[in-house]
Amino acid sequence: GAGVSQSPSNKVTEKGKDVELRCDPISGHTALYWYRQSLGQGLEFLIYFQGNSAPDKSGLPSDRFSAERTGGSVSTLTIQRTQQEDSAVYLCASSFGTSGAYNEQFFGPGTRLTVL
Amino acid sequence: AQSVTQLGSHVSVSEGALVLLRCNYSSSVPPYLFWYVQYPNQGLQLLLKYTSAATLVKGINGFEAEFKKSETSFHLTKPSAHMSDAAEYFCAVSPNTDKLIFGTGTRLQVFP
Repeated sequence: GAGVSQSPSNKVTEKGKDVELRCDPISGHTALYWYRQSLGQGLEFLIYFQGNSAPDKSGLPSDRFSAERTGGSVSTLTIQRTQQEDSAVYLCASSFGTSGAYNEQFFGPGTRLTVL
Repeated sequence: AQSVTQLGSHVSVSEGALVLLRCNYSSSVPPYLFWYVQYPNQGLQLLLKYTSAATLVKGINGFEAEFKKSETSFHLTKPSAHMSDAAEYFCAVSPNTDKLIFGTGTRLQVFP
């Protein structure tokens, strides 16, 4: 079966533009996570979805960042008015999400965002 | 808040030598602990996890880690390094079986 897929794999944009990053989780996985990997900050949690709701948005760095998930499947991370410090690899992961037990998170290959 | 600290951003070993990557955690409750590996230009892959069962956890590719509550440690070891082990390794903790909180990573180099 297919793993977690993300698109685009690379995105170069100009400062001030909006970008959308897409994540397709593994079929049947109810939980979906966004992380960011950057040189200065390492691997940071951004947001977590259980189904279509986001019980934990604590990692979103500013109100320029938002994410949604529709149909309990695909998720889009949107960054408005991009800044150079937004340059990073954005990673998506999914898991079965059963509460009360740990479920392995499977990671996608990431989207490398470069803001010029 | 839970956190993990990885000592040493870079570790170099010779092929066939012992690999030891250090991770200490901070948690007020029994944690879920993980080691992930990231090969060049690839995504994160789970090596092993501790979820309060056996304290010695065996993972893929010959790696293992031991949970030591008295030392708040979860160090990753492999008896004999292989060239293919060269990668970046991340220790992580999960507060509530959901999000992962990662350490800063350790880049392992293996020399012939």
